[in-house]
Amino acid sequence: DIVMTQSPDSLAVSLGERVTINCKSSQSVFYRSNNKNFLAWYQQTPGQPPKLLIYWASTRESGVPDRFSGSGSGTDFTLTISSLQAEDVAVYYCQQYYSSVTFGQGTRLEIK
Amino acid sequence: EVQLVESGGGLVQPGGSLRLSCAASGFTFSTFWMSWVRQAPGKGLEWVAKINQGESDKRYVDSVKGRFTISRDNAKNSLYLQMNSLRAEDTAVYYCARDPNRWGDYDYWGQGTLVTVSS
Repeated sequence: DIVMTQSPDSLAVSLGERVTINCKSSQSVFYRSNNKNFLAWYQQTPGQPPKLLIYWASTRESGVPDRFSGSGSGTDFTLTISSLQAEDVAVYYCQQYYSSVTFGQGTRLEIK
Repeated sequence: EVQLVESGGGLVQPGGSLRLSCAASGFTFSTFWMSWVRQAPGKGLEWVAKINQGESDKRYVDSVKGRFTISRDNAKNSLYLQMNSLRAEDTAVYYCARDPNRWGDYDYWGQGTLVTVSS
């Protein structure tokens, strides 16, 4: 199985500041035949199901604010929130779907 | 509006069985792969099973193989998860999720149903 490791496990950031969450896969999730990284990011607020933010590593899901962006390729990926808003407090998960499906352990984001 | 509504969760003893259902609406259910994903209390997400449109392709995480069975009824717009030989470690909120690209990036999720395995 592909193991997904996120860093940090938790972070506290001031409103309006930039947030960076990292995700590393134990093997490459880049598929040469379609030139895509099989990597997604989800946001989960308390008591709610996960919400898809980013797929194919950098494609923003419809309706997701443009302050959210995804980058990276191969085994190293990043979710960036350009300017933290109060409603962004949540747990964020990366997920690979290159070989079956596995998730990272989650990163808890709080307001400083 | 796409909606996924799970039901069937509850308290069951170890070794018991439970059948979860997921009622889909707002989209053409028969044209999508579907999955079950679970989340143990206070823990992360774990994919459980997936099924293709015609039920010819079903896949499971190793920990539930031989115990869980995923199925669907396209005429009823419903997804199911039959869970047998339940263990304490199966305790979780179970979500059904729509898989638009068949690979596993889930664009819609239900609210989940809680399964508690305890004596």
